[in-house]
Amino acid sequence: AQSVTQLDSQVPVFEEAPVELRCNYSSSVSVYLFWYVQYPNQGLQLLLKYLSGSTLVKGINGFEAEFNKSQTSFHLRKPSVHISDTAEYFCAVSDPGDKIIFGKGTRLHILP
Amino acid sequence: KAGVTQTPRYLIKTRGQQVTLSCSPISGHRSVSWYQQTPGQGLQFLFEYFSETQRNKGNFPGRFSGRQFSNSRSEMNVSTLELGDSALYLCASSLASTGSTDTQYFGPGTRLTVL
Repeated sequence: AQSVTQLDSQVPVFEEAPVELRCNYSSSVSVYLFWYVQYPNQGLQLLLKYLSGSTLVKGINGFEAEFNKSQTSFHLRKPSVHISDTAEYFCAVSDPGDKIIFGKGTRLHILP
Repeated sequence: KAGVTQTPRYLIKTRGQQVTLSCSPISGHRSVSWYQQTPGQGLQFLFEYFSETQRNKGNFPGRFSGRQFSNSRSEMNVSTLELGDSALYLCASSLASTGSTDTQYFGPGTRLTVL
């Protein structure tokens, strides 16, 4: 069965510093992987997704993630964060043809 | 193109009542999925409808039900409300069914409070 673990519930980082949000998954078959962002009082918005091919995936707002099959990880990175990146970030996995399972989320706090 | 819309945005009910939430997908999208979001459990999948048929179902009791109409609009119903049903209910639409390569687009959610 699929599962997703986001290792940090909250991550504080100074503005203009780099950030990495960690995500590990378990699945018995090939997977699709996603990162979504949720701003306060809003729904989720897709940042990026890995379906196949290149393991480095670039998304919106300067975010990127790397798929590592051997470590079953899909960590999200941004080289320089901005105050507007304050939000909750969700990692998600789906087996092809099956429903999407979300992690519990990581709150990103940008410190001035 | 209009995004996913959900009505109402906020709802207050009392225990034992029932509630119906509505979701209008992006035009042309045939899949609608519903999720429950709570601080303790995070985002949990409720069910997915594709072309008026329930395609996938999460681990929720039978008090949670849904349907999809021919225009792809979907409704979710919760009967005999419990305090623990207080949550943000999110709906998402996509062209193809979940588990495909298509992106899911989320609505802003309906905040349900059960007193």
